[in-house]
Amino acid sequence: AQSVTQLDSQVPVFEEAPVELRCNYSSSVSVYLFWYVQYPNQGLQLLLKYLSGSTLVKGINGFEAEFNKSQTSFHLRKPSVHISDTAEYFCAAGLGGSARQLTFGSGTQLTVLP
Amino acid sequence: GAVVSQHPSRVICKSGTSVKIECRSLDFQATTMFWYRQFPKKSLMLMATSNEGSKATYEQGVEKDKFLINHASLTLSTLTVTSAHPEDSSFYICSARSLDSGTSYEQYFGPGTRLTVT
Repeated sequence: AQSVTQLDSQVPVFEEAPVELRCNYSSSVSVYLFWYVQYPNQGLQLLLKYLSGSTLVKGINGFEAEFNKSQTSFHLRKPSVHISDTAEYFCAAGLGGSARQLTFGSGTQLTVLP
Repeated sequence: GAVVSQHPSRVICKSGTSVKIECRSLDFQATTMFWYRQFPKKSLMLMATSNEGSKATYEQGVEKDKFLINHASLTLSTLTVTSAHPEDSSFYICSARSLDSGTSYEQYFGPGTRLTVT
């Protein structure tokens, strides 16, 4: 079955340190990949997306992600995090389906420590 | 652009009553709207997919008679939780795909509705 895996459920990191949130997908067809951020009791906000073209995608708030087809990964990175980046991060993929549903990973809670 | 609203943002109801949640695309027309349920510290679980003017498609295990979905126009979808029970308490999130999105999978998410059934 097609799936999206976020191996790290929680990632604590100190302020101004770099961070990488990992995402792997399983699919034998072309995929569209997304990273969303969710703050407590709020909906999802799009950070960035990969549809085609350059494998390095830049998003909002200084985040970027790299699509690696051979490793079926789409890891999210930020060179220097802030306290305000503390949130839940979801990787999602469009893996097929006539309605073009998104398949979500289980989420990674990023906690930035002072 | 691409704003999706949900109303109410928070609702408390008594067991056995029904609750309606509205999802609106404010500045675009949505061919497809999706309803998700999110448990505490869990990912989003797709409940159903709705297209304007047609019946919703429910995911396996979701009771269509309990979670009624109506997609009356290209900007409005509603989710009605009928005969709500405490186990229906959850965070419900809707999303929408734009009519202009072509083959894109991109969805725009609403802010969510916190339902508490007492």
